Amino acid sequence: RKEVEQDPGPFNVPEGATVAFNCTYSNSASQSFFWYRQDCRKEPKLLMSVYSSGNEDGRFTAQLNRASQYISLLIRDSKLSDSATYLCVVNMLGSSNTGKLIFGQGTTLQVKP
Amino acid sequence: NAGVTQTPKFRILKIGQSMTLQCTQDMNHNYMYWYRQDPGMGLKLIYYSVGAGITDKGEVPNGYNVSRSTTEDFPLRLELAAPSQTSVYFCASSRRVTETQYFGPGTRLLVL
Repeated sequence: RKEVEQDPGPFNVPEGATVAFNCTYSNSASQSFFWYRQDCRKEPKLLMSVYSSGNEDGRFTAQLNRASQYISLLIRDSKLSDSATYLCVVNMLGSSNTGKLIFGQGTTLQVKP
Repeated sequence: NAGVTQTPKFRILKIGQSMTLQCTQDMNHNYMYWYRQDPGMGLKLIYYSVGAGITDKGEVPNGYNVSRSTTEDFPLRLELAAPSQTSVYFCASSRRVTETQYFGPGTRLLVL
């Protein structure tokens, strides 16, 4: 089983639609969770952190389900500019406690006019 | 703050040549990372560093070397370039290992 797993998509949605992505992770001891956004041929950039109680930033809502070991990202009222690849990122605690962030493969979103 | 900077932006190498990819951050972050990303694929960790003088292997270290003599700089060295090393290379840094990472703009490498 991959440490962080995402549906690669692509998700093709019309402008104004609501779209949701899920991501599952394998390490139940994981403590930090993030969603990053990566535009074509650009570097990944932090979209939002994911907190245990869930959090919202404008049209974006992130949720964490520790029992089922998944996180989700909901985008409401999709804009053309939301077209990008969304990376699920989870920290993995290593045996040496250095830990590291593991990036999922990403889910591609295409918002159409 | 410039954040994380990388040079060069793009490079073509012949098989067997060597080169160093430069990475510098001005955020005083202890943690620095090198990733590669092949077309349509996710990020794979090559090497990382938890502070000056300390480096460790990631998921795909073969064919690469790193050093960390200062907090700011974390160069990645390719000794004998191979076509399999054609990729986009991203450097990143973070304040703590569990905190968000900030990425540089990447170096596109083509090995022919």
